[in-house]
Amino acid sequence: RKEVEQDPGPFNVPEGATVAFNCTYSNSASQSFFWYRQDCRKEPKLLMSVYSSGNEDGRFTAQLNRASQYISLLIRDSKLSDSATYLCVVNPDSWGKLQFGAGTQVVVTP
Amino acid sequence: DAGVIQSPRHEVTEMGQEVTLRCKPISGHNSLFWYRQTMMRGLELLIYFNNNVPIDDSGMPEDRFSAKMPNASFSTLKIQPSEPRDSAVYFCASSFEGMDTGELFFGEGSRLTVL
Repeated sequence: RKEVEQDPGPFNVPEGATVAFNCTYSNSASQSFFWYRQDCRKEPKLLMSVYSSGNEDGRFTAQLNRASQYISLLIRDSKLSDSATYLCVVNPDSWGKLQFGAGTQVVVTP
Repeated sequence: DAGVIQSPRHEVTEMGQEVTLRCKPISGHNSLFWYRQTMMRGLELLIYFNNNVPIDDSGMPEDRFSAKMPNASFSTLKIQPSEPRDSAVYFCASSFEGMDTGELFFGEGSRLTVL
């Protein structure tokens, strides 16, 4: 079983719609959680951290469910520029051992 | 400010050849990471340095891979001899340990093709 699992997608989303997807992690002792974004043939970049109480950054909302060991990302009012692969990242205990999921591809269509 | 700088951006080589990838981290960052990304396996951590010292190299696939960080501003990842299964995008990333944001700054990657 992978330590961080994501639905690879693609999630095909009409422009303006809402899309949400989850990521599950296996280590219940994991300390911190993040979403990274990776555009095609580009490097990953931090999108947002995920806090226990949930947090928003503009059109993006991240949630953490420790009991069920998953995090989620919701994108409202999708833009064409939101098309990318979203990587779920978990820090199990040690800073150097960030665990990356394989990514969820989102394609926003006109 | 300059970000993480990697070279070469692209390399095509033949099986058995030595490959050297280079990385200059962001000035002031004290942690450096080498990752490999493939369609099949996603993003894998190969090795992690803190203050120029290798902390965890458990992700290095085998003895053909080696990494060095002779100073705070330079690191290399070497593959000798290279094999077709080493074809991947190799990312270098840096950060400042102790940052609360969890942000790794990635370079643009070195795309390696081994024929």
